[in-house]
Amino acid sequence: DVKVTQSSRYLVKRTGEKVFLECVQDMDHENMFWYRQDPGLGLRLIYFSYDVKMKEKGDIPEGYSVSREKKERFSLILESASTNQTSMYLCASSSSRGLAGGRGTDTQYFGPGTRLTVL
Amino acid sequence: DAKTTQPNSMESNEEEPVHLPCNHSTISGTDYIHWYRQLPSQGPEYVIHGLTSNVNNRMASLAIAEDRKSSTLILHRATLRDAAVYYCIGTSYGKLTFGQGTILTVHP
Repeated sequence: DVKVTQSSRYLVKRTGEKVFLECVQDMDHENMFWYRQDPGLGLRLIYFSYDVKMKEKGDIPEGYSVSREKKERFSLILESASTNQTSMYLCASSSSRGLAGGRGTDTQYFGPGTRLTVL
Repeated sequence: DAKTTQPNSMESNEEEPVHLPCNHSTISGTDYIHWYRQLPSQGPEYVIHGLTSNVNNRMASLAIAEDRKSSTLILHRATLRDAAVYYCIGTSYGKLTFGQGTILTVHP
């Protein structure tokens, strides 16, 4: 079974802190994604990556950056956390080649989520 | 990606079939229709996907209208564990755009 793990289930940080959220997948997937989920707004894509060292902005990249130095690991970075970044953060991975230029339908596998609170 | 419309909520009784509708009138000919669900306190999980033909797997069936402007996810015998938010998504390039989904409540 595909396993996507996230470094923490719950995290509390202070405004202005630098925050790292880590995601690891064990299925050699090319693609990895970061979403945030807020009540009434659903899941929104922050960034995604279709290869090591490659990254693409999603729908709401402002205030975030990402890093993909190894295929299995995708990190979300909040350079200076703010209270409006309090949210549930979900990581996902897939093996679809669609993001690299073709069409793809492969399943996205999600981690359990990290609930981040910024005080 | 295609815009999809789903009812906000639906209710069912345990052991009964559930038909979850989705309208996607702007879907392009190359967009697949995906269904995911999110159980409480978990990340979304894949349920099923299809392009033109009806599809079956161990979790559910997907019935796609001939004009592809709508589809229906069918849970043949709902269980309490099927209570979740169900998302219908139309996409063709590996990215998923989640809407609000349908909250399914299953009564014992």
